[in-house]
Amino acid sequence: AQSVTQPDIHITVSEGASLELRCNYSYGATPYLFWYVQSPGQGLQLLLKYFSGDTLVQGIKGFEAEFKRSQSSFNLRKPSVHWSDAAEYFCAVVPRGGQGGSEKLVFGKGTKLTVNP
Amino acid sequence: DTAVSQTPKYLVTQMGNDKSIKCEQNLGHDTMYWYKQDSKKFLKIMFSYNNKELIINETVPNRFSPKSPDKAHLNLHINSLELGDSAVYFCASSQGRQGSLFFGSGTQLSVL
Repeated sequence: AQSVTQPDIHITVSEGASLELRCNYSYGATPYLFWYVQSPGQGLQLLLKYFSGDTLVQGIKGFEAEFKRSQSSFNLRKPSVHWSDAAEYFCAVVPRGGQGGSEKLVFGKGTKLTVNP
Repeated sequence: DTAVSQTPKYLVTQMGNDKSIKCEQNLGHDTMYWYKQDSKKFLKIMFSYNNKELIINETVPNRFSPKSPDKAHLNLHINSLELGDSAVYFCASSQGRQGSLFFGSGTQLSVL
């Protein structure tokens, strides 16, 4: 079955430490891939996206993500976390091919990031 | 300038009432959406409008009716509210349909 999985429900890191949030997908063809962030009480904001080309994509707020076809993964990374990065992070996919587009956007269940001072 | 704005931010009401949530975007986007986020933060699409035409209506009860008077507005009307409707409802918009969505800040609906 088609799915997008974020294995970690909650991650805690210290400020200044590096961060990696995991995302795996299960689709016949590589879908379009996205990471969104939701700060407390706010809507979601797009961090970055991957459609094709360079497998390492840069996003806003110092985030990057690497697409690995062999592992069906699209993990989000940041070299040094700031306290303001505490939020919920959502991986999302849009299946390629067929009819339809972003109305087919499917979100993972999210990873909550806590940042300790 | 707020890109996607929705009102009200909080909505507390009794079971059986009818309520509306309004959404406006000033980004010039041609596609708008309504999402529901449950208490576990799970996001699910409810409706999508492209150029004022309904593209998708997932398995949403027909008590929910989207109305799009123009490309910049997509309102959500809910009839006969039920306890299970309590959630955060997000409006979003995009240019085209490639998944880069801009979200409003949400409406927290509490049905008592």
